[in-house]
Amino acid sequence: NAGVMQNPRHLVRRRGQEARLRCSPVKGHSHVYWYRQLPEEGLKFMVYLQKENIIDESGMPKERFSAEFPKEGPSILRIQQVVRGDSAAYFCASSPLAQNSNQPQHFGDGTRLSIL
Amino acid sequence: AQKITQTQPGMFVQEKEAVTLDCTYDTSDQSYGLFWYKQPSSGEMIFLIYQGSYDEQNATEGRYSLNFQKARKSANLVISASQLGDSAMYFCAMRSRGGADGLTFGKGTHLIIQP
Repeated sequence: NAGVMQNPRHLVRRRGQEARLRCSPVKGHSHVYWYRQLPEEGLKFMVYLQKENIIDESGMPKERFSAEFPKEGPSILRIQQVVRGDSAAYFCASSPLAQNSNQPQHFGDGTRLSIL
Repeated sequence: AQKITQTQPGMFVQEKEAVTLDCTYDTSDQSYGLFWYKQPSSGEMIFLIYQGSYDEQNATEGRYSLNFQKARKSANLVISASQLGDSAMYFCAMRSRGGADGLTFGKGTHLIIQP
């Protein structure tokens, strides 16, 4: 049973480039969540997706950031025209279809994004 | 709006002692869940324990237990017989509104176990 798989583990981009972060949820999980962790901080919720639907993007910056979870393939968090302030660890989590508040979210190992 | 407060930025504890990590929360929801996660220096997030707002008993998982005081809105994590491998960041988190939302995290406590 594979857990949540995120890649790449580390990503370096120059200012102005695009960053694409991928997340494959636990097999059978249809809920995907993206979080951002700045240095010395807790995780901050960004977006919640189900297959082909964005359910809640209230934590997502309005510009340059987008997320998708297509019918086939991994969930993608895309950051366009990256800036130094985008440097952070980005975590993906998944949970199963039957959604109760007691279901823990299973986290991937994160992608560490560094902007030069 | 939900909020999680962890007032201890860092703690040093002697090996084999018990340790309590504080967590208080704020929510207007009646139904919610509280979670603790461990983040070692390698960076992954490891789920430790869960407590539901309607659970009458405090949750326990091995050496981890949750001291849940609903009236005080606190959900402290207790680690018994601490080990060197317990050194990590510990995050308290909350989820409410039927469980479909993302988690709200505290800022974490950096626990260091000393030999």
